[in-house]
Amino acid sequence: GNSVTQMEGPVTLSEEAFLTINCTYTATGYPSLFWYVQYPGEGLQLLLKATKADDKGSNKGFEATYRKETTSFHLEKGSVQVSDSAVYFCAAFSGGSNYKLTFGKGTLLTVNP
Amino acid sequence: DTAVSQTPKYLVTQMGNDKSIKCEQNLGHDTMYWYKQDSKKFLKIMFSYNNKELIINETVPNRFSPKSPDKAHLNLHINSLELGDSAVYFCASSPWGEGYEQYFGPGTRLTVT
Repeated sequence: GNSVTQMEGPVTLSEEAFLTINCTYTATGYPSLFWYVQYPGEGLQLLLKATKADDKGSNKGFEATYRKETTSFHLEKGSVQVSDSAVYFCAAFSGGSNYKLTFGKGTLLTVNP
Repeated sequence: DTAVSQTPKYLVTQMGNDKSIKCEQNLGHDTMYWYKQDSKKFLKIMFSYNNKELIINETVPNRFSPKSPDKAHLNLHINSLELGDSAVYFCASSPWGEGYEQYFGPGTRLTVT
């Protein structure tokens, strides 16, 4: 089955700093890739996704590019805000007999004013 | 309108009891899921159903029994609760197929004492 490895946190940044959260995957074939965000006390929300190699997902200033050659889907944001403080999950989805979303362990981001 | 709802939001119970968590989605999706999130925020799929048929059962103890009375509902019944069952349980739904976003409910925090 798939596995997802993401940078372990916690990550603490000052407002307006640059953010990178690394994510790599192992899978048979080419899975769809996702970043989900979980704000305190809430469920997960989709942040962005990419379904094929070289696709770039983007939302709310966050970006990630599906890199087949490095099996990576790193999350970046140029200037973080306090409101971005949350747990971020990288995830991979494959169909067929392995029809499930596999999550990384999550990265807690805290942004200080 | 809430897309994916769960009840109850909090559940505190004693070891050995039996409890149920209910999930409903009004998105018209074919596929529903149960996830368990432990105290370290690690998310793992437990079950997935498509059109009321079980698709995935991820080596979950027999004490956990999902039931899908119709496409819009997926309930989780837990027998003989143990301390290790304490976690946050999330329900989610999506269309059937790769590349689709999963929509998560707000979670049910189960505490077994």
